[in-house]
Amino acid sequence: GAGVSQSPRYKVAKRGQDVALRCDPISGHVSLFWYQQALGQGPEFLTYFQNEAQLDKSGLPSDRFFAERPEGSVSTLKIQRTQQEDSAVYLCASSLGRGTGYGYTFGSGTRLTVV
Amino acid sequence: KQEVTQIPAALSVPEGENLVLNCSFTDSAIYNLQWFRQDPGKGLTSLLLIQSSQREQTSGRLNASLDKSSGRSTLYIAASQPGDSATYLCAVNNQAGTALIFGKGTTLSVSS
Repeated sequence: GAGVSQSPRYKVAKRGQDVALRCDPISGHVSLFWYQQALGQGPEFLTYFQNEAQLDKSGLPSDRFFAERPEGSVSTLKIQRTQQEDSAVYLCASSLGRGTGYGYTFGSGTRLTVV
Repeated sequence: KQEVTQIPAALSVPEGENLVLNCSFTDSAIYNLQWFRQDPGKGLTSLLLIQSSQREQTSGRLNASLDKSSGRSTLYIAASQPGDSATYLCAVNNQAGTALIFGKGTTLSVSS
C-alpha cells in the first residue's frame, strides 16, 4: 500500500479485556516497529521485527504484551488483561532496510483507552 | 542508557520568524539522528535524517545540523508559516540499532 495502515483507529476497552491492534506496513518493507506514545510524551519503543523474526522485544512493558508478524508483512500487537496505564497511542512504523539506518514511515496510530 | 532532551518544550512565534529547535543526547555512539513532525492526532512524518558521518541536511526551509561529539542537533526553520505549527521530535538509535529513542518534543505554534 501507499502508507502504513493501522486498525482500529480508536479502541475503548474495559479493564481486564484483551485487545488486538493491527498494522499493515508498506509492501516490501523489511523492518517493522511498534511504539507506545503516552499523552505529552515522545514515542517509546516496544518491539522490532525484521521480516518475520522478532529481533528485539526489550521495550514490551510486561508479559501481557505480545506481538507477532508471522508472514513478514502484517503485524498484530496484543495486550492481555488491559489496565488503565495501557491507555496510549500505539504507533507502527516500517522501513525498507534493516534496523534504524533508514527512513521510517509511521502509521496514524491506534488510540487505546482503557476504562 | 541513551537519553534525548529537547528544548524548549513549547514555542510560540509570529509568522515569518526564523527559529531554532534544540536536541541533545547523552551517548554520542549513534548511527544517525532523525527529526520528525507530528500533527495532533496523527502519526509522525519524517523530516530529515542525518547520518553520523554527516554534519547537516537540508530540505526546503528546514536545515538540521549534527554535532555528534557534543551530543547536539539543531533544527532550523526559516521564514516560519502557520502551517509549520506542530510538535517536532528528534530521535537517535539505541546501541543495538533496533529502535529509535525519542525526545519529548517541542510544540511549535506559528501565528498569522
